[in-house]
Amino acid sequence: ELKVEQNPLFLSMQEGKNYTIYCNYSTTSDRLYWYRQDPGKSLESLFVLLSNGAVKQEGRLMASLDTKARLSTLHITAAVHDLSATYFCAGEETNAGKSTFGDGTTLTVKP
Amino acid sequence: GAVVSQHPSWVICKSGTSVKIECRSLDFQATTMFWYRQFPKQSLMLMATSNEGSKATYEQGVEKDKFLINHASLTLSTLTVTSAHPEDSSFYICSARDTDRGLGYTFGSGTRLTVV
Repeated sequence: ELKVEQNPLFLSMQEGKNYTIYCNYSTTSDRLYWYRQDPGKSLESLFVLLSNGAVKQEGRLMASLDTKARLSTLHITAAVHDLSATYFCAGEETNAGKSTFGDGTTLTVKP
Repeated sequence: GAVVSQHPSWVICKSGTSVKIECRSLDFQATTMFWYRQFPKQSLMLMATSNEGSKATYEQGVEKDKFLINHASLTLSTLTVTSAHPEDSSFYICSARDTDRGLGYTFGSGTRLTVV
């Protein structure tokens, strides 16, 4: 059974700073997803990572995947207040066709 | 991109009544849809996998007689919470993936259920 562990669970950072959220998973995963959730809202898809070494970037967010280490990271560059949200990673177990979510990282960016 | 529409956005019902939540894929066909439940400040928990034309697959601990899932067409799945109780109050979210376009999962806007 796939287990997904995210850390940190809470992150408070100042605007302009950089930080990384880590996502470890326990068994082989076909795909690794990153999502954003604003309070009271549903999930918004950020990245889909398919293979070892995959790196994707959108604005101030960059996601990477190391399948050998079973680790994905979400790097935030020069944070701005608008990035405040909860970020989830999720893995998809091979041949299971369903996702397992991490506990989420609540990011607060302060001026 | 792929769009998943979920209705209603919120519903308040009395204990003992039933509530139906709809999830539609608007611009793609979804043979499989997923239903999640999210309690405040917690992660998403998969409740069941909805399969078009066949029975849903429920996760361990989810009562299939209480959470009825119907996936009658390639664009519509419904979740009915039967004989709702206050502990069923939660945020319910559906998702689907447009496999033809190779995209990731798209989530509905969620339904906030409050049972009083």
